[in-house]
Amino acid sequence: AQSVTQLGSHVSVSEGALVLLRCNYSSSVPPYLFWYVQYPNQGLQLLLKYTSAATLVKGINGFEAEFKKSETSFHLTKPSAHMSDAAEYFCAVSHTGGFKTIFGAGTRLFVKA
Amino acid sequence: SQTIHQWPATLVQPVGSPLSLECTVEGTSNPNLYWYRQAAGRGLQLLFYSVGIGQISSEVPQNLSASRPQDRQFILSSKKLLLSDSGFYLCAWSLENTEAFFGQGTRLTVV
Repeated sequence: AQSVTQLGSHVSVSEGALVLLRCNYSSSVPPYLFWYVQYPNQGLQLLLKYTSAATLVKGINGFEAEFKKSETSFHLTKPSAHMSDAAEYFCAVSHTGGFKTIFGAGTRLFVKA
Repeated sequence: SQTIHQWPATLVQPVGSPLSLECTVEGTSNPNLYWYRQAAGRGLQLLFYSVGIGQISSEVPQNLSASRPQDRQFILSSKKLLLSDSGFYLCAWSLENTEAFFGQGTRLTVV
């Protein structure tokens, strides 16, 4: 069975500071990994995905994530936070493509001026 | 391009009333379709998925059911709503090698 654990339900950073959202996964097969962002009362938007190609994945809005098999991690980073980054972020895993994607509990990011 | 429509956006229903939420996908054929429920602070829980017309798999036992009467139509239903059915419901689709694409969600409040 696959699962995702997101460390920290809330993360607060100052505008311009580094954003680091942590995600660890469990999978018996090589995983597909995703980060999605959700703004209030909206659906989920894909930030980036790992599909067994390059381990450092670049996404939209300046976000990137690194797949580390030895640590079973897929942490999301952004060098400099912007007020518009305030949202909820979900890490997710699946066996193949987006089939039956399993989501973590989410991390709400707060950005202080 | 592909789009996904989900309605209504918000819904307030009394306990014991029926429910029907509808989702349609445009611009693709034979997608995998999903219903997720999101409860506050608990992430997204996969409720149902479908790989084809009339083919429905349930991931968790519950008061809800799903149907897929057409290739790009997915319906979430209940005969009698419970208070615990309140939440944010999201429809999504994917193809074999794509990520899941989500609708805008329906906020259901059972009173």
